[in-house]
Amino acid sequence: DIQMTQSPSSLSASVGDRVTITCRASQGIRNDLAWYQQKPGKAPKRLIYAASSLQSGVPSRFSGSGSGTEFTLTISSLQPEDFATYYCLQHNTYRTFGQGTKVEIK
Amino acid sequence: EVQLVESGGGLVKPGGSLRLSCAASGFTFSNAWMSWVRQAPGKGLEWVARIKSKTDGGTTDYAAPVRGRFTISRDDSKNTLYLQMNSLKTEDTAVYYCATEYYGMDVWGQGTTVTVSS
Repeated sequence: DIQMTQSPSSLSASVGDRVTITCRASQGIRNDLAWYQQKPGKAPKRLIYAASSLQSGVPSRFSGSGSGTEFTLTISSLQPEDFATYYCLQHNTYRTFGQGTKVEIK
Repeated sequence: EVQLVESGGGLVKPGGSLRLSCAASGFTFSNAWMSWVRQAPGKGLEWVARIKSKTDGGTTDYAAPVRGRFTISRDDSKNTLYLQMNSLKTEDTAVYYCATEYYGMDVWGQGTTVTVSS
């Protein structure tokens, strides 16, 4: 099975900060990767698909990059509504989520 | 508007069974690949099972922890996805979400809670 290693598991940041979250796949997954945001008590919301394509309606401060085994989600300027938990998902072989990154207010 | 509504969750004893349903609307359900994803209390997301559309073969795949105990199925005439869960264990306690599949999970339902406890 493909393992997804997501880092960091949590981070503290201030409004306006640039934030980067990384996912590493245990084997190559081309660009079969998506990023999700989840707020407490709510279903996840997709932000990025195909590693770097922005989901319709998602602010442009969110961006994704990478291919193969290394992927990055970047929030260019953190906003108050962005404090949440973020997950990556590989869908190349079966499906595997990363462990999650909780973004907290500094 | 694309909408997914899960139902069927509840409290069940270890070793028991439960069937979850996911009613779909706002899109052509018969063309969609669908997945179930769960989230144990205070934990991360875990993919459970996926079913392809019948035109793509209707094949199913399962995560290792549920293989042989859970069965994903669909009734395209009713626009409904199912998850039959047998031999339930306490570690199956979670919120269960259904989701459409398009470049990963796209649209998600609101979730239904399953609690396995004696």
